[in-house]
Amino acid sequence: GAVVSQHPSWVICKSGTSVKIECRSLDFQATTMFWYRQFPKQSLMLMATSNEGSKATYEQGVEKDKFLINHASLTLSTLTVTSAHPEDSSFYICSASLGVDTQYFGPGTRLTVL
Amino acid sequence: GQSLEQPSEVTAVEGAIVQINCTYQTSGFYGLSWYQQHDGGAPTFLSYNGLDGLEETGRFSSFLSRSDSYGYLLLQELQMKDSASYFCAVSSASKIIFGSGTRLSIRP
Repeated sequence: GAVVSQHPSWVICKSGTSVKIECRSLDFQATTMFWYRQFPKQSLMLMATSNEGSKATYEQGVEKDKFLINHASLTLSTLTVTSAHPEDSSFYICSASLGVDTQYFGPGTRLTVL
Repeated sequence: GQSLEQPSEVTAVEGAIVQINCTYQTSGFYGLSWYQQHDGGAPTFLSYNGLDGLEETGRFSSFLSRSDSYGYLLLQELQMKDSASYFCAVSSASKIIFGSGTRLSIRP
């Protein structure tokens, strides 16, 4: 089946620093990748849709200058949380789509900002 | 916009059957999916309904009624390992939006 990886799986950083999270589709090419954020005991909130070679489409309320998304190839999308603050601490999950019916999720990245 | 409603919590007994309902409001509807998520893990795909009717995959079945904007996930022969959160999600042409999730607790 389709496999999506994320790196790192967890990261702890100081307030004010930037953190980059990588999302890779390992055995297929994904023209579209999605970034979600999930706070404890809550649902997955779509942050942005990332299309290879074009600018990401951000959901309402998500700051595009704070959450930088780059989708440079058909197998790699990156999310950079810039000037992270404690309220950005969350579980960040990417997914890659092969169509409208299925998304394959990465294992997630748990970010803790001190 | 898009919105989904599903119960926040459901409790069932091991070996029993449980149904998790989902109602939705959306434009440009393509289909309804179900995902399972264990604590600390990422969601895993369970099923997808693009057309009305019942889809069966082992112990899990999913149903969709497009005219009623309603679907459900049916879990049979419940096992302790089925304790998890279950999310319904609606697909449009460009993205998938998730419901708030139903936490399923299973008692021996």
